[in-house]
Amino acid sequence: AQSVTQLDSHVSVSEGTPVLLRCNYSSSYSPSLFWYVQHPNKGLQLLLKYTSAATLVKGINGFEAEFKKSETSFHLTKPSAHMSDAAEYFCVVSAANTGNQFYFGTGTSLTVIP
Amino acid sequence: NAGVTQTPKFRILKIGQSMTLQCTQDMNHNYMYWYRQDPGMGLKLIYYSVGAGITDKGEVPNGYNVSRSTTEDFPLRLELAAPSQTSVYFCASSWIIGQGGYEQYFGPGTRLTVT
Repeated sequence: AQSVTQLDSHVSVSEGTPVLLRCNYSSSYSPSLFWYVQHPNKGLQLLLKYTSAATLVKGINGFEAEFKKSETSFHLTKPSAHMSDAAEYFCVVSAANTGNQFYFGTGTSLTVIP
Repeated sequence: NAGVTQTPKFRILKIGQSMTLQCTQDMNHNYMYWYRQDPGMGLKLIYYSVGAGITDKGEVPNGYNVSRSTTEDFPLRLELAAPSQTSVYFCASSWIIGQGGYEQYFGPGTRLTVT
């Protein structure tokens, strides 16, 4: 079975400081992992994805995530937060044995303080 | 490419009315999905389709129906609208797992209110 746990429902950082959004996954098969961002009243945009290549994945807007199999984690980071990063972030897992289904975490709301 | 398009963007329904949410993708993806997102929550899968003529239930299918007569279109039908169906609905599509870059592509969403 596949599942995702986003460990923080809300994260608040000051502009210019690092961002860490935590995600743990459970998968009975080799997983693919994704981070999506959703700005208020908007659709979902892919930030980055891990699909069994390099474990450190770079995405758009300076975000990156590291796949750690031993810790079953896929945390999202950014060195320096920008005001435009304020949004909802979703961690998603999928695997070949899930019938192409994607399992979403409950989301982490990121606030950036000026 | 337009990607995934959804219509309408907004809709208000009275209890008991019916409507169809339209979804079209122009990327020739085999897989298509319907999700609902309630306030402050993640996305829950309503129905999905692995190709034309094939659909299957997701986590929350009750009160909804789908069809997939073509690769491009995946409409979602609400037969007897209820207040519990007030939500934002997202359509998505993807390649088959195993092919490069098979992430989901999302439409802009339909905001539905049932009163």
